[in-house]
Amino acid sequence: QQQVKQSPQSLIVQKGGISIINCAYENTAFDYFPWYQQFPGKGPALLIAIRPDVSEKKEGRFTISFNKSAKQFSLHIMDSQPGDSATYFCAAPDRGSTLGRLYFGRGTQLTVWP
Amino acid sequence: NAGVMQNPRHLVRRRGQEARLRCSPMKGHSHVYWYRQLPEEGLKFMVYLQKENIIDESGMPKERFSAEFPKEGPSILRIQQVVRGDSAAYFCASSPEFGFYGYTFGSGTRLTVV
Repeated sequence: QQQVKQSPQSLIVQKGGISIINCAYENTAFDYFPWYQQFPGKGPALLIAIRPDVSEKKEGRFTISFNKSAKQFSLHIMDSQPGDSATYFCAAPDRGSTLGRLYFGRGTQLTVWP
Repeated sequence: NAGVMQNPRHLVRRRGQEARLRCSPMKGHSHVYWYRQLPEEGLKFMVYLQKENIIDESGMPKERFSAEFPKEGPSILRIQQVVRGDSAAYFCASSPEFGFYGYTFGSGTRLTVV
């Protein structure tokens, strides 16, 4: 069972455009929603994260929008650059018996054309 | 700060051999998590360890896989009698305390079973 569902699987955007990646979840106990960025041959690195008590968080060109009622959250990359080409994962933590486990989406491979 | 160190970066094993993957957490981090990433999929939780303790191994296959985090030295993920289906990228993350805050991933070990 996929705890966090992510779409699209791949995304191609022109340089300067907006990249949008969406995630949906079922477990209302989730209370922290990080996004990770992964370059080929590297481990995932935390990009930005949000808590459900706010609807939006912005850091530079990266924005998370959160819709608690719809149980959805999305990553927006403004003014996308070729250097943003990577795989992006949304995630949510297991608040059950294990406090450290993260559930990941399947990932979105973003390609930004110059 | 060297970050989370994993070695080897690449490991090739023949079917039936043993694979040992090592992970040294960030300085000051006493919590270690192992994840497996199959092609086209997100990361799947395997096990959560603290020094000399396995906290949660519910994501580990029941047979052939084991993990440890001794008092001294790195955490080890051990796969006995490897099969082709074990081919994947294995990532280790560490954190300074309970939970996912400050979660930092290593660059992973790419295991190929031939």
